[in-house]
Amino acid sequence: TQLLEQSPQFLSIQEGENLTVYCNSSSVFSSLQWYRQEPGEGPVLLVTVVTGGEVKKLKRLTFQFGDARKDSSLHITAAQPGDTGLYLCAGGSGSSNTGKLIFGQGTTLQVKP
Amino acid sequence: GAVVSQHPSWVICKSGTSVKIECRSLDFQATTMFWYRQFPKQSLMLMATSNEGSKATYEQGVEKDKFLINHASLTLSTLTVTSAHPEDSSFYICSARGYPSYNEQFFGPGTRLTVL
Repeated sequence: TQLLEQSPQFLSIQEGENLTVYCNSSSVFSSLQWYRQEPGEGPVLLVTVVTGGEVKKLKRLTFQFGDARKDSSLHITAAQPGDTGLYLCAGGSGSSNTGKLIFGQGTTLQVKP
Repeated sequence: GAVVSQHPSWVICKSGTSVKIECRSLDFQATTMFWYRQFPKQSLMLMATSNEGSKATYEQGVEKDKFLINHASLTLSTLTVTSAHPEDSSFYICSARGYPSYNEQFFGPGTRLTVL
């Protein structure tokens, strides 16, 4: 069974601080996606990484896919209150073509002004 | 970008009634749709996977007779919660994947179900 361990589960920081969220697994994933979700809404896709070692940047957000495609990280620089939300990582299974995603437990981020 | 809609956005019903939730892909053909359930401050729990024109595949522990899924077209899937009870109250989210981005799932805005 493929599992994604996401940490930390809760994070409360001051505006301007940096933070990193981790997603780790013992399994290899064909792709890994990061989503952000606000209360009462569906998740919104931030990025998809597919190549081992890949780094993608989205303004103040930096996403990295591990060389072995088993782990990923999301780094936010100079966090702002607008970054508050639930961040979810999700891995695409490489063992089948079902399209199923394995979700991490989520990280609830609160950025205080 | 790919847009997925859900209807209704929220619904309140009495215990014992059935509720239907629709999921539509608005600008692409969704060969596969997924139904998730989410509890407050928790991650998404996959309930079932449905491919257009075939029966849905349910995850372990999900009652297929209680959560009826139909995926009759490439743009519409429905989830019917039959004989709903208060413990079925939750946030239900659908997602869809299809041409050309088969690696990605695009999520609907969710439906808040409250069973009294």
